[in-house]
Amino acid sequence: SQQGEEDPQALSIQEGENATMNCSYKTSINNLQWYRQNSGRGLVHLILIRSNEREKHSGRLRVTLDTSKKSSSLLITASRAADTASYFCATDETSYDKVIFGPGTSLSVIP
Amino acid sequence: DTGVSQDPRHKITKRGQNVTFRCDPISEHNRLYWYRQTLGQGPEFLTYFQNEAQLEKSRLLSDRFSAERPKGSFSTLEIQRTEQGDSAMYLCASSLVTGNYGYTFGSGTRLTVV
Repeated sequence: SQQGEEDPQALSIQEGENATMNCSYKTSINNLQWYRQNSGRGLVHLILIRSNEREKHSGRLRVTLDTSKKSSSLLITASRAADTASYFCATDETSYDKVIFGPGTSLSVIP
Repeated sequence: DTGVSQDPRHKITKRGQNVTFRCDPISEHNRLYWYRQTLGQGPEFLTYFQNEAQLEKSRLLSDRFSAERPKGSFSTLEIQRTEQGDSAMYLCASSLVTGNYGYTFGSGTRLTVV
């Protein structure tokens, strides 16, 4: 079963623009994580935000978490062609001992 | 330690054959997870270990699937009597138990059943 749902499913932007992806989930969580996956490769952990945190930054990445709305957003600023990948949110639910992934957002950054 | 290693990277097998995949996690990580991913979808949880103990198996994991982590280090995932529906990317990840840490994934094993 999938806990998180990313939106949009696909996003195409010009290099230099910002990219925003959203994630909604259904139950209480310990933390929410974002991962990137290049075509045909494994997932790379980008950032983790705990349930008691509201915003976190890492380089060009900014993640927000609104537990009242059960939603999160990932902002990639000043996008580059190398950011082209699929991005997944994953929730670490309080009732489970593993992370559950959403279906992902496919991001294309056009040079 | 260069991360999580999976072997082989690709496997093509005939329907009905058995296949086994191996995962070598980061040595300090006591949690090891197996996920399956089909094209255009997010990873689906299959099973996980804490040290050598298998703590949970997904209902997705039929009786044809078995996973082991005999000494709490590397793990194997075996699929018996493969079916075309088993074609997917099989991903292994490891993590620390304590604290809020993300997972480190391997590059995956892509299985094609013909």
